[in-house]
Amino acid sequence: DGGITQSPKYLFRKEGQNVTLSCEQNLNHDAMYWYRQDPGQGLRLIYYSQIVNDFQKGDIAEGYSVSREKKESFPLTVTSAQKNPTAFYLCASQRSGAGADTQYFGPGTRLTVL
Amino acid sequence: GQQVMQIPQYQHVQEGEDFTTYCNSSTTLSNIQWYKQRPGGHPVFLIQLVKSGEVKKQKRLTFQFGEAKKNSSLHITATQTTDVGTYFCAGPDRGSTLGRLYFGRGTQLTVWP
Repeated sequence: DGGITQSPKYLFRKEGQNVTLSCEQNLNHDAMYWYRQDPGQGLRLIYYSQIVNDFQKGDIAEGYSVSREKKESFPLTVTSAQKNPTAFYLCASQRSGAGADTQYFGPGTRLTVL
Repeated sequence: GQQVMQIPQYQHVQEGEDFTTYCNSSTTLSNIQWYKQRPGGHPVFLIQLVKSGEVKKQKRLTFQFGEAKKNSSLHITATQTTDVGTYFCAGPDRGSTLGRLYFGRGTQLTVWP
């Protein structure tokens, strides 16, 4: 089965702790993206990567970090510097970085910081 | 910077009524894409429009791309409860062969039975 997986589905962390969200795809897509979704805010881009070992900041990168060591994987770390980390996090992939390609989304991780 | 605006933010309709959401870009788009997110789910690609003035239909859904390629609309005829969800439009980064999509904030559709 081809697709994008995100784990875990729900994640609880204490304030001040870093947490890493997993995103894996077996679609052989070059580009991968991380979005944050808050109620009424739509999808806000955190980071994206169009090729292995390269990534760019999106609109709300502060307090987040990523790595892209493998084509299949694009983990997102929510650091303690992120002031309001509780949100729904969506990972997406795209065949190439071209604007004509569509994005495929994972099921998301709902992070709650207590 | 480049922006994609979408209205209305919320729409509540009685089952059987029609629904329309509108999308406007600050720049000319090479294409526009539409996604649907069911409550508790993730966005799923619906369709892509590429040509100026293009109209595409998927059963009760009609998608239009404006002549100037800066606006688009999604119209649902005779809504059903299965249409509930948030509809997003998205356009690619202008002037770049590579890059991100700019998403509108979405229109959340509620359908009352």
